[in-house]
Amino acid sequence: GDSVTQMEGPVTLSEEAFLTINCTYTATGYPSLFWYVQYPGEGLQLLLKATKADDKGSNKGFEATYRKETTSFHLEKGSVQVSDSAVYFCALSVYSGGYQKVTFGTGTKLQVIP
Amino acid sequence: DGGITQSPKYLFRKEGQNVTLSCEQNLNHDAMYWYRQDPGQGLRLIYYSQIVNDFQKGDIAEGYSVSREKKESFPLTVTSAQKNPTAFYLCASNFFGSGQPQHFGDGTRLSIL
Repeated sequence: GDSVTQMEGPVTLSEEAFLTINCTYTATGYPSLFWYVQYPGEGLQLLLKATKADDKGSNKGFEATYRKETTSFHLEKGSVQVSDSAVYFCALSVYSGGYQKVTFGTGTKLQVIP
Repeated sequence: DGGITQSPKYLFRKEGQNVTLSCEQNLNHDAMYWYRQDPGQGLRLIYYSQIVNDFQKGDIAEGYSVSREKKESFPLTVTSAQKNPTAFYLCASNFFGSGQPQHFGDGTRLSIL
């Protein structure tokens, strides 16, 4: 079945450091890929998405490129801020048999220290 | 502003009791979903619905029930058959299509008294 694998956290970085959170996937179909962010006590918010190979999703300084050849969708940011501290989820979506199936990774907690 | 509203934010269940979690959306989305989130784990799908009066079991439906009588509403009942209900429950919705992201409510935290 479909699956998403994220690097385990927590990831602790100093403010202004470079961030990479790895995400790889396996899917039977041709998925769309997403990154969501969750702040404490809240639901998930869409951070960015990509729907086909070589697409780059970007938002608020975060970027991720859909790499079909390596089945990856790594999240990057050039300079993190304390306000970026949250849990980040990679997810894939496949529309098959008349319904949309979404598979989430286990999440990676990011802590940014001043 | 459009969005998804979950209530209550915190809920306590006694042994042998059924409790219902509310989820309402005003985004005119077709599909709605219920997820369970446990500490350190990803989201696990409980139930989903693509159309009014129709819903499907997800990966962990045992001990839960849902209804979809209106497009805007998708309440989840945690029955007494669910022996380990303590978790964070998230409701989501979206339009049809694989590239459509899900929009999430702020969740309900359920605990056992």
